[in-house]
Amino acid sequence: GDSVTQMEGPVTLSEEACLTINCTYTATGYPSLFWYVQYPGEGLQLLLKATKADDKGSNKGFEATYRKETTSFHLEKGSVQVSDSAVYFCALNPTGANNLFFGTGTRLTVIP
Amino acid sequence: EAGVAQSPRYKIIEKRQSVAFWCNPISGHATLYWYQQILGQGPKLLIQFQNNGVVDDSQLPKDRFSAERLKGVDSTLKIQPAKLEDSAVYLCASSFAGPSGANVLTFGAGSRLTVL
Repeated sequence: GDSVTQMEGPVTLSEEACLTINCTYTATGYPSLFWYVQYPGEGLQLLLKATKADDKGSNKGFEATYRKETTSFHLEKGSVQVSDSAVYFCALNPTGANNLFFGTGTRLTVIP
Repeated sequence: EAGVAQSPRYKIIEKRQSVAFWCNPISGHATLYWYQQILGQGPKLLIQFQNNGVVDDSQLPKDRFSAERLKGVDSTLKIQPAKLEDSAVYLCASSFAGPSGANVLTFGAGSRLTVL
């Protein structure tokens, strides 16, 4: 069945360090891929998405590229800030469906 | 536009008691979802509505969980009787698109349930 495997955390980085959170998926066809973020005390928010192979989603300095050959959608940021501290979820929208399958989440803490 | 509204934000009950959560989606969003997020895990879909009809409830523990969306707008999720393992955050989300096709889900802040 459809599933998402996400890099386990927690991840602790110093401010201005580079971030990569790995995400791979299992799905038939051409799913859409998402990264959602959950800041402390808040609900899930869409960070970025990609709907077809080789698409790059980007937002707030974060990027992720839909790689069908490696079934991956890794989240990257070149220079993290303290305000990026949150839990990040990779998610998959199966072809022909309208729901989301989520990974287990990766907690990021950025220290000054 | 107003976001997805959920209440209550927090609820503490004892096992075998009942609880109900309410969700009001974004105006005009035909699809409504209830997800369960257990601590340390990703959200898991419980039930999905398209207007007032159920699209997917395959992961809903129907012996104790029920949900309705009678007028195709707001929705209620009920647990009766609650078990310890039901302690989780219950997330409501809504989206604009129809039963299939990629689209963005907008989530509410969630209702945190603690079962003692």
